[in-house]
Amino acid sequence: KAGVTQTPRYLIKTRGQQVTLSCSPISGHRSVSWYQQTPGQGLQFLFEYFSETQRNKGNFPGRFSGRQFSNSRSEMNVSTLELGDSALYLCASSLATGMNTEAFFGQGTRLTVV
Amino acid sequence: GIQVEQSPPDLILQEGANSTLRCNFSDSVNNLQWFHQNPWGQLINLFYIPSGTKQNGRLSATTVATERYSLLYISSSQTTDSGVYFCAVVSSGSARQLTFGSGTQLTVLP
Repeated sequence: KAGVTQTPRYLIKTRGQQVTLSCSPISGHRSVSWYQQTPGQGLQFLFEYFSETQRNKGNFPGRFSGRQFSNSRSEMNVSTLELGDSALYLCASSLATGMNTEAFFGQGTRLTVV
Repeated sequence: GIQVEQSPPDLILQEGANSTLRCNFSDSVNNLQWFHQNPWGQLINLFYIPSGTKQNGRLSATTVATERYSLLYISSSQTTDSGVYFCAVVSSGSARQLTFGSGTQLTVLP
């Protein structure tokens, strides 16, 4: 069974540009969550999608957005990139949106903003 | 929101030694997971353990939910155990999101 797949693995973007990251969950999983990891702030929750609906959102500016498609694949978009957006972005897949379900992570997308 | 504290922040061991990593959390939880972050950044699932004790080879974990802590035991450490270990919880009072501790950086020397 394939794991969580994130693409691309690495990205270099210029300040002011926008970027789209993709996440394909484990087959049969319907919940996808996104996290940002930086040396200063650690791992922080961005948002969760289930059945194409955003169920929960972390404390990030509106420049960070996402969506989920009918096949459960998810994308997150960051507009007007800032240097501080440089981070490892991790996607997690869960069977359902209930609190008692285990999350599985992809390999991440490492974004560098220059 | 819920606070998650991990200790120690750094741990250096000789190969073959045993270690205990601790995770304290400030509120009741529905979900607790331990992860090992590999050098490429991926979070590898070790345990899903909201309560009780589990074992998987040289690793075991115990969560005492009523006292709001979890322990990860690593026995007979190997150099491949090196990396960052994270504890993450889902608070009982919140929507589904994992809150992570700041991690324990483990270095196992040959």
